[in-house]
Amino acid sequence: EPEVTQTPSHQVTQMGQEVILRCVPISNHLYFYWYRQILGQKVEFLVSFYNNEISEKSEIFDDQFSVERPDGSNFTLKIRSTKLEDSAMYFCASRRDGGTNEKLFFGSGTQLSVL
Amino acid sequence: LAKTTQPISMDSYEGQEVNITCSHNNIATNDYITWYQQFPSQGPRFIIQGYKTKVTNEVASLFIPADRKSSTLSLPRVSLSDTAVYYCLVGERAGTASKLTFGTGTRLQVTL
Repeated sequence: EPEVTQTPSHQVTQMGQEVILRCVPISNHLYFYWYRQILGQKVEFLVSFYNNEISEKSEIFDDQFSVERPDGSNFTLKIRSTKLEDSAMYFCASRRDGGTNEKLFFGSGTQLSVL
Repeated sequence: LAKTTQPISMDSYEGQEVNITCSHNNIATNDYITWYQQFPSQGPRFIIQGYKTKVTNEVASLFIPADRKSSTLSLPRVSLSDTAVYYCLVGERAGTASKLTFGTGTRLQVTL
């Protein structure tokens, strides 16, 4: 089965530093997502991306966050100035289209620890 | 998106059938019901999706009554490796970049 690949698997950073989380969605997928999960809590939607622009974003996705698809394969999440509360597992997901019967494929996540 | 309610946790012995029920009283006409499984430190994984009646795949069955206000995920003969959190999601499957909203899920613990 095709996979969504995320790197790195773990990222440790100092508060205030910028981090970039990287994802390679499945090659023929057109819709991309970032979710996060704080330890012990539920999976939270951050942002969806289609046709090179943000389709929808949650309240969590404030000005400190940005997404980009710099080339034909990568999809990145940037946090400009990390805060302690940004510590979480970040999941990238993709789906082929937003239409019929399309399941969402998730990556294995990047565990971000902000010290 | 319709809100879902499911039990916080369930326990089962290996080899038993497990049924997890999800309530979605406000489900809309266009909404589909999708179940995901999540192991610790991994991303959620699609299990099954349905609109009405019964759907079965190699992993599970999904039972949806006529009013569609609830659904039941059935896992036949669970094993220790089925210990995970199971999420019921309801939402439109059509439209541009429709999101999925996860609830708290049901934590299934399978023991010997």
